[in-house]
Amino acid sequence: SAVISQKPSRDICQRGTSLTIQCQVDSQVTMMFWYRQQPGQSLTLIATANQGSEATYESGFVIDKFPISRPNLTFSTLTVSNMSPEDSSIYLCSVAPGPETQYFGPGTRLLVL
Amino acid sequence: AQTVTQSQPEMSVQEAETVTLSCTYDTSESDYYLFWYKQPPSRQMILVIRQEAYKQQNATENRFSVNFQKAAKSFSLKISDSQLGDAAMYFCAYLSNFGNEKLTFGTGTRLTIIP
Repeated sequence: SAVISQKPSRDICQRGTSLTIQCQVDSQVTMMFWYRQQPGQSLTLIATANQGSEATYESGFVIDKFPISRPNLTFSTLTVSNMSPEDSSIYLCSVAPGPETQYFGPGTRLLVL
Repeated sequence: AQTVTQSQPEMSVQEAETVTLSCTYDTSESDYYLFWYKQPPSRQMILVIRQEAYKQQNATENRFSVNFQKAAKSFSLKISDSQLGDAAMYFCAYLSNFGNEKLTFGTGTRLTIIP
């Protein structure tokens, strides 16, 4: 397994601002993922972040809105840019320490006013 | 593309009883993994159980077991001796064994435990 932490755990932001969410894992992993969970919904993959390469975004998500950094094998950040109330969600990072499973961080609950 | 369907938005069970949550999926692949994740009110996604498609034997983790029917593309979760701490959203998820490690989730089932 893997121990994953996220910062902040929650935040309330004003529209038009940006928030950077940090994800730290206790072991080196090649693949990290960022998911969004809108209120009452399931999880949707935003992007895959591999160290040493550009993040790969899913349909409907763009780098200008959700820039991602992956500076090393234990850390990643997701920025939610120019926020609107529709961005109010839980944002979760996950890691795949092996090819057969994923473990999730505790999530960041974001409310945009 | 793969899809995962959970047809039960809500389920309830009496404490100490057994409950089964349903999940079906659609794929053209023969090699993949299936998961059940639990999301309690804390919102932490917790891995409950994992099944490899190439294994015929159903996975078991303590009180949690699955009924994996590959031909029917069905993957149900059975919770035995239900406890109050089992109350949560349960998500079924599919993972392809071919490359991108992308999890596809179902819409979830909210499980309530009745004391």
